[in-house]
Amino acid sequence: RKEVEQDPGPFNVPEGATVAFNCTYSNSASQSFFWYRQDCRKEPKLLMSVYSSGNEDGRFTAQLNRASQYISLLIRDSKLSDSATYLCVVGSSYKLIFGSGTRLLVRP
Amino acid sequence: GAVVSQHPSWVICKSGTSVKIECRSLDFQATTMFWYRQFPKQSLMLMATSNEGSKATYEQGVEKDKFLINHASLTLSTLTVTSAHPEDSSFYICSARVRDQRGYTFGSGTRLTVV
Repeated sequence: RKEVEQDPGPFNVPEGATVAFNCTYSNSASQSFFWYRQDCRKEPKLLMSVYSSGNEDGRFTAQLNRASQYISLLIRDSKLSDSATYLCVVGSSYKLIFGSGTRLLVRP
Repeated sequence: GAVVSQHPSWVICKSGTSVKIECRSLDFQATTMFWYRQFPKQSLMLMATSNEGSKATYEQGVEKDKFLINHASLTLSTLTVTSAHPEDSSFYICSARVRDQRGYTFGSGTRLTVV
């Protein structure tokens, strides 16, 4: 079983749609949680950290459920520029473990 | 913000040669640098962790004699792919944790093609 699992997608949605990504992780001792965005052939860029209380940054909302070892990302009012691969990332001790990513395609 | 400068951004080399990839932290001191590899349509896989002034820690299955890591200063870490083979062709990315921040900053990556 992978340490961090994500649905690879792709999610193909129209502009303005709301889309949700889910992620599960296997190590209950994990301490930090992030969503990163990766554009094709580019390095990952931090989208947001994820906290147990849930957090929001503009159109993006992230949730963490430690009991279920589940992380989510909600994108509202999708823009064409949101098209990318979204990586669920879990930190344990000093290491980051990356999910394989969920690809999002936003169409006009 | 914290920036990690990675060079080269792409390189093509012949089988059997060695390639050195550099990562420099430009405006902060990176005591620890992480080296990742990403094959097409796969996730980033941690190869090794380099600590300034000490030996790197390699992940299981990563050959330390093939992927030489040097972290001689607080601002520079290098990865040398020795005796490169076509199967080493991949996207190599370095990353450092920025003090007082929960996130990690990444270099822009090096696309290695071995022919």
